[in-house]
Amino acid sequence: AQSVTQLGSHVSVSEGALVLLRCNYSSSVPPYLFWYVQYPNQGLQLLLKYTTGATLVKGINGFEAEFKKSETSFHLTKPSAHMSDAAEYFCAVSEGGGSYIPTFGRGTSLIVHP
Amino acid sequence: DTGVSQDPRHKITKRGQNVTFRCDPISEHNRLYWYRQTLGQGPEFLTYFQNEAQLEKSRLLSDRFSAERPKGSFSTLEIQRTEQGDSAMYLCAIRPRSGNTEAFFGQGTRLTVV
Repeated sequence: AQSVTQLGSHVSVSEGALVLLRCNYSSSVPPYLFWYVQYPNQGLQLLLKYTTGATLVKGINGFEAEFKKSETSFHLTKPSAHMSDAAEYFCAVSEGGGSYIPTFGRGTSLIVHP
Repeated sequence: DTGVSQDPRHKITKRGQNVTFRCDPISEHNRLYWYRQTLGQGPEFLTYFQNEAQLEKSRLLSDRFSAERPKGSFSTLEIQRTEQGDSAMYLCAIRPRSGNTEAFFGQGTRLTVV
C-alpha cells in the first residue's frame, strides 16, 4: 500500500521568498515520486519526478525536489517565488514496476503575496 | 497539450439523472486512468484500463459508477442516478508507452449535481 502526506494545506510566501512544500510518503516498494501543479479549473501538470538515480531532481519553472529515503520525504522547493507560482500543488507516489497507479496527497495551496 | 482531451468541460445535472463523460487520448499510451477530485482534496483513483482491459475497478465508488473503453480507444465514465455528493471534477489521465513513469492529465470534467 502507498500513501502521501502533505504537511500544510496552505503555504503563504512573499514574492521573491523561498518556497518549501513538504511531502512524506509511504510505500512498500521503491517508489516513484512526483509533484504536480494545478491551476483553477484545470487538470494537473507534471512539475518533476523521481524514479531512480540522482536524488535531487529539477523540474519546470525553477522548482526542484530532493528524495530522502531515510526520511521518506520528497519536499518541493524554489529559491524565489513569483506571483505566477500561486496554485495548488500535489505530491504523488506510485509503485515502480507495478501498476504505476499514482496516489495523491491532499494538496498544498501556495499563496504568493506581492 | 497533455495528450488527453475530455468532454464536456462542465456538466450540470439534476439529481437522479445519468451522466456520461468522455476521455479521448491523443498521444500514444498503454494505460488510461480515471480519477475523481472533490473540492480541497487530491485526485482519488477510480479505475484504469490497459488497452481494452479494465484491470482495476474495485475502487469505483459505488455500483452507480462504471467505465468502458471500447476497442481500446476513447473511454467513458458513467454515473447513474446522480447524487449531490457526486459533484466533483472527474479527471482522465494516460501513461505513455514504456519508458515513461508519469501520468498525463486532461483538463477534467466539472460535474455539478443540483
